[in-house]
Amino acid sequence: AQSVTQLGSHVSVSEGALVLLRCNYSSSVPPYLFWYVQYPNQGLQLLLKYTTGATLVKGINGFEAEFKKSETSFHLTKPSAHMSDAAEYFCAVSVTSFQKLVFGTGTRLLVSP
Amino acid sequence: GAGVSQSPRYKVTKRGQDVTLRCDPISSHATLYWYQQALGQGPEFLTYFNYEAQPDKSGLPSDRFSAERPEGSISTLTIQRTEQRDSAMYRCASSPDRAAGELFFGEGSRLTVL
Repeated sequence: AQSVTQLGSHVSVSEGALVLLRCNYSSSVPPYLFWYVQYPNQGLQLLLKYTTGATLVKGINGFEAEFKKSETSFHLTKPSAHMSDAAEYFCAVSVTSFQKLVFGTGTRLLVSP
Repeated sequence: GAGVSQSPRYKVTKRGQDVTLRCDPISSHATLYWYQQALGQGPEFLTYFNYEAQPDKSGLPSDRFSAERPEGSISTLTIQRTEQRDSAMYRCASSPDRAAGELFFGEGSRLTVL
């Protein structure tokens, strides 16, 4: 069975600082990997995804993530945080083209001025 | 519609009552998913539809939970004889294609069972 671990339920950064949200997955077959973001009172929105090909994936709002098979990781980064990045971020894994996603428990990003 | 619409947004019910939640997906989307999200947890898969077919119900926690999508568009999730442990956010998502790689989520229905 697949699983996702997100280290840190809360991450706090200052505006302009690097954002790093960690995600490790467990899968017996090559995974599809996703990051979703949830802003307050909104539904989850896809930030970026890895399916095949280039391991560095760029998403919306300046976020990117790198698939590292040897480390079973898919950490999310952004060079410079904005106040508008404050939200909850979910990492998810799927091992089929059908999107039966397994989500992590989420990381709430707090951005201070 | 322009986005995935869920209703009601909030539902408070007493233990033992039945509740029905509704999802209106993006009109061109063939595939529809239901997820359950408990407080402090990530969403957990319940079931999905490809048009009106329901190929996978493996995530439904008990036979008190059922879902349907009779005409391949709007879907309902019904919970019979609700229990306090059913309290959660219920999220619906749709996708244009099972292999499209992106789910479009609604804002969710928050269910509280007293």
